[in-house]
Amino acid sequence: GEDVEQSLFLSVREGDSSVINCTYTDSSSTYLYWYKQEPGAGLQLLTYIFSNMDMKQDQRLTVLLNKKDKHLSLRIADTQTGDSAIYFCAESNAGNMLTFGGGTRLMVKP
Amino acid sequence: EAQVTQNPRYLITVTGKKLTVTCSQNMNHEYMSWYRQDPGLGLRQIYYSMNVEVTDKGDVPEGYKVSRKEKRNFPLILESPSPNQTSLYFCASSPGTRNTGELFFGEGSRLTVL
Repeated sequence: GEDVEQSLFLSVREGDSSVINCTYTDSSSTYLYWYKQEPGAGLQLLTYIFSNMDMKQDQRLTVLLNKKDKHLSLRIADTQTGDSAIYFCAESNAGNMLTFGGGTRLMVKP
Repeated sequence: EAQVTQNPRYLITVTGKKLTVTCSQNMNHEYMSWYRQDPGLGLRQIYYSMNVEVTDKGDVPEGYKVSRKEKRNFPLILESPSPNQTSLYFCASSPGTRNTGELFFGEGSRLTVL
């Protein structure tokens, strides 16, 4: 079946950029997502990108998609302590049927 | 306020004692789903429902049941819980198939089975 892989952990200093990477196997993915999970809370959609796009920017967030390599990344500029959370990559090719990665825990040091 | 509400948020139970985790959404969403979250494994789908009286198995349905008698509610039933069902459970909903697939999540229910 489909598979989505992420590294488990990333640590950055406040003010630096964070880059969280994700690879997926389903070549028919239609949408790719980044969700954020803060401690003790459910997941919230941060941003998504349609598969025919290469890049999407939304304020401090930049999503890059390399469809040939099936690689998705999330860059957070000027990372703040409030960005500390678990970030999940997900893909879907059928509307609501999302496949999630294992999550990357981002720790931001002051 | 638009939300997905799960209850209970925390539960400790013993092996074999039937329990139900409720999920309710107030957004008139057609699609609802249950996930379990385990360290390093991300979210794995247990069951989902495309609409009232329409449910289907996800990736890890064993040991769980669901029902969708009304659009707003999608309870998760553990008929005979076992320790390997100790996990963090999330309910999620979405408007339907003709959308970007954004899921709205509840705050989670942490279940411990002794």
